[in-house]
Formats: sequence, C-alpha cells, structure tokens
Amino acid sequence: DAMVIQNPRYQVTQFGKPVTLSCSQTLNHNVMYWYQQKSSQAPKLLFHYYDKDFNNEADTPDNFQSRRPNTSFCFLDIRSPGLGDAAMYLCATSMQGGGSYNEQFFGPGTRLTVL
Amino acid sequence: GQNIDQPTEMTATEGAIVQINCTYQTSGFNGLFWYQQHAGEAPTFLSYNVLDGLEEKGRFSSFLSRSKGYSYLLLKELQMKDSASYLCAVADSNYQLIWGAGTKLIIKP
Repeated sequence: DAMVIQNPRYQVTQFGKPVTLSCSQTLNHNVMYWYQQKSSQAPKLLFHYYDKDFNNEADTPDNFQSRRPNTSFCFLDIRSPGLGDAAMYLCATSMQGGGSYNEQFFGPGTRLTVL
Repeated sequence: GQNIDQPTEMTATEGAIVQINCTYQTSGFNGLFWYQQHAGEAPTFLSYNVLDGLEEKGRFSSFLSRSKGYSYLLLKELQMKDSASYLCAVADSNYQLIWGAGTKLIIKP
C-alpha cells in the first residue's frame, strides 16, 4: 500500500544532543512537509519541499534543518534540542496543484522526548 | 492575520448527532479540510469543501459557506470510536494549510 513512513516512532534524546528524524513515502508526491505538534495545539508547519525547492517558515528556529535527498525521503535535523522541542513531529505529503490534490497525507509521527 | 477558530472541546452521547463549527479568516481561500486525529496518532483526512454547500460521506457531512467564512462537520450515529480531535484547516492563496487547534470530541455511553 502507498504510504508515508516515519522512523523512529519514538525518539528520546538528551538536551543539546543532535537528533535526526526520517520520513519516506511511496505515494510519489512532489511536496513534503514537516510539522511540529504539541499537545492540544494545531500542527505548526516548520518547512516544506516543493520537489527540491526548500521553503522555510519565517518563524522556524535555525535549530531545525531539513534535507530531501530524493523524491522519496526527507529528514528533519534538530541540531541542539531543547526541552521546548519535545513534541510530535509529523511528516506529510501532497500532490502539486490546487483542488483536492493538496490533501495532505500524514505519516504516523515521531514523538520526541528531550531529557 | 490568519485565524481558524473552533471550540476546544465538545461532549456528546453515543448514537446522537454532533456539529463541530469552524470559522476562518485567511488570506485567500482554496478549500477547507476536516481531519480526524486520535490521541497520539497522525491526522487522517475526512472531507474537503471548496464550493458552498453540504458534502455527505456516510455518517460524516461537511458544510461550507465562503461568504460567512464558516464550516461545520456533522457526525451522525456517534460511536465510541469517534472520540478524537477534529481539526479544521484552510488552504490559503499559496495552497498552504492554516490549521485550527482542533476540537476534542468526547463520546459518552
């Protein structure tokens, strides 16, 4: 089945220790998104790729970086995690264009704990 | 600024009907989405409205009024498994989704 996969599902790191979250998709969608979601809050868009074009949200901290080496994979790097970065990180994909094509398909998420 | 408003929490009884409202103010409009999110899980797509009116899909229906900046999600014949958060999201002029904080729906037997 076509899907969005995130690894790991649960990640524990120490304060200041770099961590990388991964996302892969078999939907062949050209847009990939990274969201941060804290409890009872709306998903917050960190950045997205339109093919290889990287789009950073203005309020995304420099501590967060992303890589998309090919259509299928996208990575979220947190260079120096702080306690405030503990959250669920959601990867999503969508097809180019408007209409229903910008329906976003989500992976299961990675829950990050910072000790 | 861009803003999506929906109630924080609602409670309903199994077998009943519940309506979850969403109002929005965005720069441009390219459709409104409803997603369901169970605790600790990712959002899953429920519905999409881009024209005014009612879209029905099984037990779930979604309504849109663009002139009023208003939508609702109607859930019929509520089941315990419908206990979840329901997120309203609007695609703005750049086709980016602006998300509401979600409405936590609690179903009681």
